Amino acid sequence: EAGVAQSPRYKIIEKRQSVAFWCNPISGHATLYWYQQILGQGPKLLIQFQNNGVVDDSQLPKDRFSAERLKGVDSTLKIQPAKLEDSAVYLCASSDSGETQYFGPGTRLLVL
Amino acid sequence: GNSVTQMEGPVTLSEEAFLTINCTYTATGYPSLFWYVQYPGEGLQLLLKATKADDKGSNKGFEATYRKETTSFHLEKGSVQVSDSAVYFCALSDRGGGADGLTFGKGTHLIIQP
Repeated sequence: EAGVAQSPRYKIIEKRQSVAFWCNPISGHATLYWYQQILGQGPKLLIQFQNNGVVDDSQLPKDRFSAERLKGVDSTLKIQPAKLEDSAVYLCASSDSGETQYFGPGTRLLVL
Repeated sequence: GNSVTQMEGPVTLSEEAFLTINCTYTATGYPSLFWYVQYPGEGLQLLLKATKADDKGSNKGFEATYRKETTSFHLEKGSVQVSDSAVYFCALSDRGGGADGLTFGKGTHLIIQP
């Protein structure tokens, strides 16, 4: 069974630019999560989707971050405009309505 | 709100030593508790979990018991190996309204020396 796929693996941009990350969850998993992991900290939940609906986006900085999950499968997370403090690893996870979340390898973002 | 506190690292041990990594939590409801592990160069993966008080989760020689009275979920292993070197994260999930995103601790870097 293929795991959670994410791309790109690494991205370097300048502040005020925009960037997008893509996630493909495990086949059949209805729930998809995006987390932000700043260096030296644990992951922080940004948004949770159930199929193509948002369940929780209370910690998503909505002035600059947006996410969508069209057709309830793939998801895209966008940052526009990026700030220096957005430098982090962005993790995507999925679950099949059980309690175990399966994580992708992450996208490492550096904002200069 | 929910929070998880785990012991600061790095923790350095010799091979075959006994391991304890402390984890305590604060939650408004009745959370499920998890330990995730991140090996060098790899993604986060579930190590073990417990869904209710007094449950014991175990995997790969690691175990942790859900203690509601002390709001703790300490990770233990009787004899560690070099291959256990990794970052360990304690986490909780509080399924209020179907939202079950994980709240993580800061992680504990474990180094096992031969």
